[in-house]
Amino acid sequence: QKEVEQNSGPLSVPEGAIASLNCTYSDRGSQSFFWYRQYSGKSPELIMSIYSNGDKEDGRFTAQLNKASQYVSLLIRDSQPSDSATYLCAVKGNAGNMLTFGGGTRLMVKP
Amino acid sequence: DARVTQTPRHKVTEMGQEVTMRCQPILGHNTVFWYRQTMMQGLELLAYFRNRAPLDDSGMPKDRFSAEMPDATLATLKIQPSEPRDSAVYFCASGLGGRGFPYEQYFGPGTRLTVT
Repeated sequence: QKEVEQNSGPLSVPEGAIASLNCTYSDRGSQSFFWYRQYSGKSPELIMSIYSNGDKEDGRFTAQLNKASQYVSLLIRDSQPSDSATYLCAVKGNAGNMLTFGGGTRLMVKP
Repeated sequence: DARVTQTPRHKVTEMGQEVTMRCQPILGHNTVFWYRQTMMQGLELLAYFRNRAPLDDSGMPKDRFSAEMPDATLATLKIQPSEPRDSAVYFCASGLGGRGFPYEQYFGPGTRLTVT
């Protein structure tokens, strides 16, 4: 079992819809959770961080964390074609500074 | 403009040659990470430093890879000798690490390495 799991996709949504991206992790002691966006041929870009249970909103993005279920998600409201990218979930364990990355979910937003 | 910079952006070399990649972390960041990304393996951590000291290099093939931080503004990743299976994109990332810090990492643009 991978430490951080994501559905590879592609997840296809129409423009204007809500895109829901999910991630599960195996280390129950994990403390910090991050979502990165990576456009094809580019580097990962940090878009959201979440550290406590519940929701965190930033513009059209909402990160949701449920530590009891070991689950973190990213919602993108009013999806735009420019949101088409691979979204990487990253998790920091209980010690050290290392992040473990999931394999990413490819999102396609169709006009 | 606070960004991680990496050089070179692209490198094509022949098997057996030495490759050196350089990274300048964001000023003030005390942790530096080297990652490798391939289609098959995804994003893999090779090594990381905090306050210039190597803390973990368990992801790195020790016989041919080496990573150093000669000073706070420069991190290097060296492959000697290079092999075709080393072809990948190598990313450097930096952040603030230690108790009380957010552990966010910011990535450089990457070095695309092709070994023929």
